[in-house]
Amino acid sequence: DTGVSQNPRHKITKRGQNVTFRCDPISEHNRLYWYRQTLGQGPEFLTYFQNEAQLEKSRLLSDRFSAERPKGSFSTLEIQRTEQGDSAMYLCASSLDWVGFPEAFFGQGTRLTVV
Amino acid sequence: GDSVTQMEGPVTLSEEAFLTINCTYTATGYPSLFWYVQYPGEGLQLLLKATKADDKGSNKGFEATYRKETTSFHLEKGSVQVSDSAVYFCALSDRRETSGSRLTFGEGTQLTVNP
Repeated sequence: DTGVSQNPRHKITKRGQNVTFRCDPISEHNRLYWYRQTLGQGPEFLTYFQNEAQLEKSRLLSDRFSAERPKGSFSTLEIQRTEQGDSAMYLCASSLDWVGFPEAFFGQGTRLTVV
Repeated sequence: GDSVTQMEGPVTLSEEAFLTINCTYTATGYPSLFWYVQYPGEGLQLLLKATKADDKGSNKGFEATYRKETTSFHLEKGSVQVSDSAVYFCALSDRRETSGSRLTFGEGTQLTVNP
C-alpha cells in the first residue's frame, strides 16, 4: 500500500459544471476525512466518514457538495454547479479507529481551478 | 470554536540557524496538538505530536512542548538545513465522538532555508 491516493491531481472546469474527485484511503483505515485548502491558508475540515457512515459535515459543505463512501473503502466528493470560489486544493486523509489519537495520513490532493 | 494561530510568515533563515515558529491555540476541550509539514509537491506529513500537557513531541531534530498554561505549542529546531524548507502547519484535535479525530489547522508558515 502506497498511502492515500487522490485522483485526479488537477482539474480545470468551467463555472457551472459538475466535478467529482476520488480518494482511496490506506486499506485498513476506517476513518476518512475531506479537507479544503485555499492558497496561503491551512486545510479546513469538510466532512468525516467512519466506515460508510458520514458522521459530520462542516458548514463549509454547502448543498452543492456531496460526499459518499459507499462500501467503506474509497470515497468521492462531488461539487455541482461549480463557482469560482470553489477553486482550492481538496485533501483527503485517512486513519485507524482506536483509543488514543491515530495519525491521519494525507493524500497529495486534487487541485481544482474553476474558470 | 477551536482555533489555531501561527506566527506570521514567511520565515527565511540561513543554514544552521535556530528556528522557532510560534503556535497558540483556543479549544473548549483538552486537545491533542500536532505539527504537520508540507514539502513542495507533496502531501501533508505528520512531523510530531503531543497529547497532554508538558508532553514534548520530537522528530528529525524538531521539538515542540505542549504548554497548557500558555495554550502554546511552539516548534523549534536548533540547526536548520536547506532540506527543511517547507510549509509548517500547527493543528489540534479535540477528539469529539462525532468528528473522529478531525484537525483544526493554523494558516501555515513558509520556511525557506538558504545555503
